[in-house]
Amino acid sequence: NAGVMQNPRHLVRRRGQEARLRCSPMKGHSHVYWYRQLPEEGLKFMVYLQKENIIDESGMPKERFSAEFPKEGPSILRIQQVVRGDSAAYFCASSPSLGTVNAGELFFGEGSRLTVL
Amino acid sequence: AQTVTQSQPEMSVQEAETVTLSCTYDTSENNYYLFWYKQPPSRQMILVIRQEAYKQQNATENRFSVNFQKAAKSFSLKISDSQLGDTAMYFCAFATHAGKSTFGDGTTLTVKP
Repeated sequence: NAGVMQNPRHLVRRRGQEARLRCSPMKGHSHVYWYRQLPEEGLKFMVYLQKENIIDESGMPKERFSAEFPKEGPSILRIQQVVRGDSAAYFCASSPSLGTVNAGELFFGEGSRLTVL
Repeated sequence: AQTVTQSQPEMSVQEAETVTLSCTYDTSENNYYLFWYKQPPSRQMILVIRQEAYKQQNATENRFSVNFQKAAKSFSLKISDSQLGDTAMYFCAFATHAGKSTFGDGTTLTVKP
């Protein structure tokens, strides 16, 4: 499967623990985006990364949340000291380089559902 | 900042009939892309149709077509001959060449047998 791979699909954490969500972009894609979806709501942009660079983190909460996309390996969204309000589905998407025929289009993973007890 | 507005939280349509989902957006950009994505109950988001702002011709993909009105900043999706498998949440999205996409809050469409 050459699509966007996210893991884990489901993650349960107790308040105060850390959550790590992983995303491997589609083969050939160098742009990764993280979105959060609360129940019955739309997708809210969190962060946009390219390899080793954060391009736009305007949607990231100032505290407890961080993201990286290292030179090797998947992109990781890290949430420290989780609270109940962090419970949501976190979607990763990747896109091809700007200037390609599919520029702007997002290819989504199946999401990671975080539940904080 | 770009905003995308979907004014219809829920809609329903009888199987085989036609339904139109509304979307408006606000931007100062001149070159951009518009998309409709579908999120079925299985939850993976998939692309339905895309439109480049510089193209005047409305995009069409089989039973799906758009009515793109650039001056009015409107981008509606028409689904013809609705099928049960079209039941899903539909998101309108806006993207610039700079990368990130902005999504509307979605319209939940139910196709009734």
